[in-house]
Amino acid sequence: NAGVMQNPRHLVRRRGQEARLRCSPMKGHSHVYWYRQLPEEGLKFMVYLQKENIIDESGMPKERFSAEFPKEGPSILRIQQVVRGDSAAYFCASSPPPDPGELFFGEGSRLTVL
Amino acid sequence: TQLLEQSPQFLSIQEGENLTVYCNSSSVFSSLQWYRQEPGEGPVLLVTVVTGGEVKKLKRLTFQFGDARKDSSLHITAAQPGDTGLYLCAGTRGGTYKYIFGTGTRLKVLA
Repeated sequence: NAGVMQNPRHLVRRRGQEARLRCSPMKGHSHVYWYRQLPEEGLKFMVYLQKENIIDESGMPKERFSAEFPKEGPSILRIQQVVRGDSAAYFCASSPPPDPGELFFGEGSRLTVL
Repeated sequence: TQLLEQSPQFLSIQEGENLTVYCNSSSVFSSLQWYRQEPGEGPVLLVTVVTGGEVKKLKRLTFQFGDARKDSSLHITAAQPGDTGLYLCAGTRGGTYKYIFGTGTRLKVLA
């Protein structure tokens, strides 16, 4: 049973480019979370999604950031026109139905903006 | 505004010593979890507590949820180098499933 898969593990972008981070939840899991982590800090909540629905996006910046969890395929966190301050590790977690309990995390995607 | 404050932020101890890590808030939480994260990896769940005053033990680790469900502690007995890592508490409030993480405690156990 494969764990939560995130790709790419490392991504380098120049200012103004777009970053797309992918997350495939564990088989059978219907809840997906995205978190952002800066060095030496805890995890900051960004968004909570279920299949085809955004449940809570209160942690997402109003501009440039978007997330989706389509009926088929992985969840995508998209950052448009990246800036240096977007450099961070982005973690995805999934949880099984019916209600989220234990969060199973991927190994993260580390974004570096030059 | 950080809802969950952890202390200490950093802790370096010798193998065999005991330690306690705290997770505090002014808000009431429906449930509280503790995770451990190692470098380059995602956090891994250690325990979930849901009842005020609840105590759970996991080998040398003892977790307690405060009576008012506003705070929690993690006590490690006879720490070992393998306990080294970032310890994170996380909680949910009300009827939501928004897991909020604490500021983290970075533990280093020296052999």
